[in-house]
Amino acid sequence: EVQLVESGGGLVQPGGSLRLSCAASGFTFSTYTMNWVRQTPGKGLEWVSFISSSSSTIYYADSVKGRFTISRDNAKNSLYLQMNSLRAEDTAVYYCARDDLGYCSSTTCYTGFDYWGQGTLVTVSS
Amino acid sequence: QSVLTQPPSASGTPGQRVTISCSGSSSNIGSKYVYWYQQLPGTAPKLLIYRDNQRPSGVPDRVSGSKSGTSASLAISGLRSEDEADYYCAAWDDSLSGRVFGGGTKLTVL
Repeated sequence: EVQLVESGGGLVQPGGSLRLSCAASGFTFSTYTMNWVRQTPGKGLEWVSFISSSSSTIYYADSVKGRFTISRDNAKNSLYLQMNSLRAEDTAVYYCARDDLGYCSSTTCYTGFDYWGQGTLVTVSS
Repeated sequence: QSVLTQPPSASGTPGQRVTISCSGSSSNIGSKYVYWYQQLPGTAPKLLIYRDNQRPSGVPDRVSGSKSGTSASLAISGLRSEDEADYYCAAWDDSLSGRVFGGGTKLTVL
């Protein structure tokens, strides 16, 4: 059974940093592209970042570019999101999500999310 | 606002058929696969439709997806109370080099 378990959320002051982790099990982690997606309380979903299976291709949403860094450790079956210079508008539930298998290049992608974790809440407030 | 456009709400009575639309452009829906997700209150999104019209195992055949040009639709027939949830469409966008979502549609079963 595919399982994705996020951790590392919490309360942080504006300008602060936080590192989220996602522990994967039930599948061959090193084969799959992974993502972070967030959801502001009571609102819709926003894709945050994408990392290919070998970490060779990484994308970020414009809203987090330059502040957030996605990474993975295939030996530990883990996905990470380092979040710096946090703002109030970064307050959200952060989900890790697995891509289904399909074609992705350095410029385009024909895949989508097939499994999601339960999410971890990040609150940015003084 | 969201790159993909969905109606904020939809409703139907038990047994009815409802459709939820998702409108985009040539850089996303027009050239990439559409995925649909169901989010029950207080839970993570769950995959409902992948690659425009494919159902994962476990999703009933009363749920279907379709696409034409730059628009996609999710249809649920034989509506049940447990279908009451938020529904989101998503696709890759070549212009933005990333994934985009619709704003979500809250489905109410009357």
